[in-house]
Amino acid sequence: SAVISQKPSRDICQRGTSLTIQCQVDSQVTMMFWYRQQPGQSLTLIATANQGSEATYESGFVIDKFPISRPNLTFSTLTVSNMSPEDSSIYLCSVDLSNDIQYFGAGTRLSVL
Amino acid sequence: GENVEQHPSTLSVQEGDSAVIKCTYSDSASNYFPWYKQELGKRPQLIIDIRSNVGEKKDQRIAVTLNKTAKHFSLHITETQPEDSAVYFCAALGATGGSYIPTFGRGTSLIVHP
Repeated sequence: SAVISQKPSRDICQRGTSLTIQCQVDSQVTMMFWYRQQPGQSLTLIATANQGSEATYESGFVIDKFPISRPNLTFSTLTVSNMSPEDSSIYLCSVDLSNDIQYFGAGTRLSVL
Repeated sequence: GENVEQHPSTLSVQEGDSAVIKCTYSDSASNYFPWYKQELGKRPQLIIDIRSNVGEKKDQRIAVTLNKTAKHFSLHITETQPEDSAVYFCAALGATGGSYIPTFGRGTSLIVHP
């Protein structure tokens, strides 16, 4: 299994500002994932982040809005840029330890006013 | 890409009853089917999974069945307990651009009444 530390756990932000979410893993992993989960909804994949390459974004998500960094095999950040109330959601990172199982961080609960 | 349908969206049972959640998938190349449980305010966690070379798998009170021909798989929980109350997500793992990415169902909110 993996221990994943995600922070902040929650934040309240003003419209037009940006928030960077950090995800730290206790072991080296090739693939890290960022999801959005709106209240009562499923997990929607934002992007896949591999170390040493640009993140791969899913349809409906763009790099200008959700820039991702992956500087090494244990760390990644997701920035939610120029926020609006529609960005209020839970953001989760996860990793795949090469056994297809997703291990999730505890999530960041974001509220945009 | 893969499409996963999950039913029902809400399931209410009495303690001790069985609960069944069903999922269908579209990509016949998908070969790994996990189930995640998400308690309120917590992270999703794997509870059971099945690979395409197996038809059924059990772990105490939970079991998963897979029908590859029909492209559907189901989660079975027997002797339900109040602590089984949570949202359950199925997923199918298929190849996307050379990587294996899970596609999640919409989730089933299971409520077990004591």
